[in-house]
Amino acid sequence: NAGVMQNPRHLVRRRGQEARLRCSPMKGHSHVYWYRQLPEEGLKFMVYLQKENIIDESGMPKERFSAEFPKEGPSILRIQQVVRGDSAAYFCASSPPLAGGLDTQYFGPGTRLTVL
Amino acid sequence: KQEVTQIPAALSVPEGENLVLNCSFTDSAIYNLQWFRQDPGKGLTSLLLIQSSQREQTSGRLNASLDKSSGRSTLYIAASQPGDSATYLCAVTGANSKLTFGKGITLSVRP
Repeated sequence: NAGVMQNPRHLVRRRGQEARLRCSPMKGHSHVYWYRQLPEEGLKFMVYLQKENIIDESGMPKERFSAEFPKEGPSILRIQQVVRGDSAAYFCASSPPLAGGLDTQYFGPGTRLTVL
Repeated sequence: KQEVTQIPAALSVPEGENLVLNCSFTDSAIYNLQWFRQDPGKGLTSLLLIQSSQREQTSGRLNASLDKSSGRSTLYIAASQPGDSATYLCAVTGANSKLTFGKGITLSVRP
């Protein structure tokens, strides 16, 4: 049973470009969460999604960031017009459809975004 | 707003020592608390999860306790080994399954 998969593992973008980060949850998991870890900071919640639904995006910056989890395929975190401050490690986690999503969250290896 | 604090930020101990890592949180309305391990440049590995109705959980040399009313948790590591060197993160689950993390404690176990 493969774990949570994220790709790419490393992504380099120039200021103003778009970054697309992908997350494939564990088999059977229907809840996906995105977190961001800035240098010297703890992990911060960004968004919680179920298939075709955004449940909570209270941690997502209001501009340039969007997330989706389509019926088929991976979850995508999209950052438009990246700036240097977006450089961080972005982690995806998934959990099974139990207890309203209060089960253990399993984390992927992360995507390390560097903005030049 | 939930805040999770882990102090100290770093800890260095000799091999074989038993040690305790502390975590505190400001809002006791949590569903569970998890301890994670993060190795440099890697993802997170869940070590222990304690439901809000539980007091402790054990796995091998690790034991985690939870005192929800006082907003505290401890992770006890017995007979530490160099392979235990990593950053240990404490996180609480609140509304909408959001995890709120502390900044972590970077542990170094000297041979």
